[in-house]
Amino acid sequence: EAGVTQFPSHSVIEKGQTVTLRCDPISGHDNLYWYRRVMGKEIKFLLHFVKESKQDESGMPNNRFLAERTGGTYSTLKVQPAELEDSGVYFCASSQHISGSAIQYFGAGTRLSVL
Amino acid sequence: GDSVTQMEGPVTLSEEAFLTINCTYTATGYPSLFWYVQYPGEGLQLLLKATKADDKGSNKGFEATYRKETTSFHLEKGSVQVSDSAVYFCALAHNAGNMLTFGGGTRLMVKP
Repeated sequence: EAGVTQFPSHSVIEKGQTVTLRCDPISGHDNLYWYRRVMGKEIKFLLHFVKESKQDESGMPNNRFLAERTGGTYSTLKVQPAELEDSGVYFCASSQHISGSAIQYFGAGTRLSVL
Repeated sequence: GDSVTQMEGPVTLSEEAFLTINCTYTATGYPSLFWYVQYPGEGLQLLLKATKADDKGSNKGFEATYRKETTSFHLEKGSVQVSDSAVYFCALAHNAGNMLTFGGGTRLMVKP
């Protein structure tokens, strides 16, 4: 069974450009999460989808970030326009259940470098 | 709000040494506690978890006990191997929503 896949693995863009990250969760997992780790700090929650609906987007930093999950399958996270402080590693995770003890399965992450 | 604090690294040990990585948390209620590990070039993998007070999670020789009285979840291993070199993250989650709150991560380097 395929795990959570993310691409690209690394993206280098200039300030002001647009970047779209993609996440394919494990098949059958209704719950999809985005996290990011900026400048070696803590991994921070961004948002949570249940199927195609945004369950919690309290971690989204500002309106330059737009996440979608059309059809409840893969998800995209668009940053437009990108700023220097957006550099970091963006992780996607999926889980089958929503309880606090449910295991989240992570992708390898997308490293975003904004120059 | 919730927070997780873990010891800063890097932690450098010789092979077969004893490992402890401290983790303490601040949270309301009774969250579930996790240790995730990230090996070089890979994503985060669940190492172990505990869902209630006094539970002990264990996997691959690693152990951690959920201590409600000290709000801690320290990771231990009796004899580390070079292959254990990785970054270790302590995290918690509540039942509602299941979003994870992570500590800052601790890099472990094991030398032969």
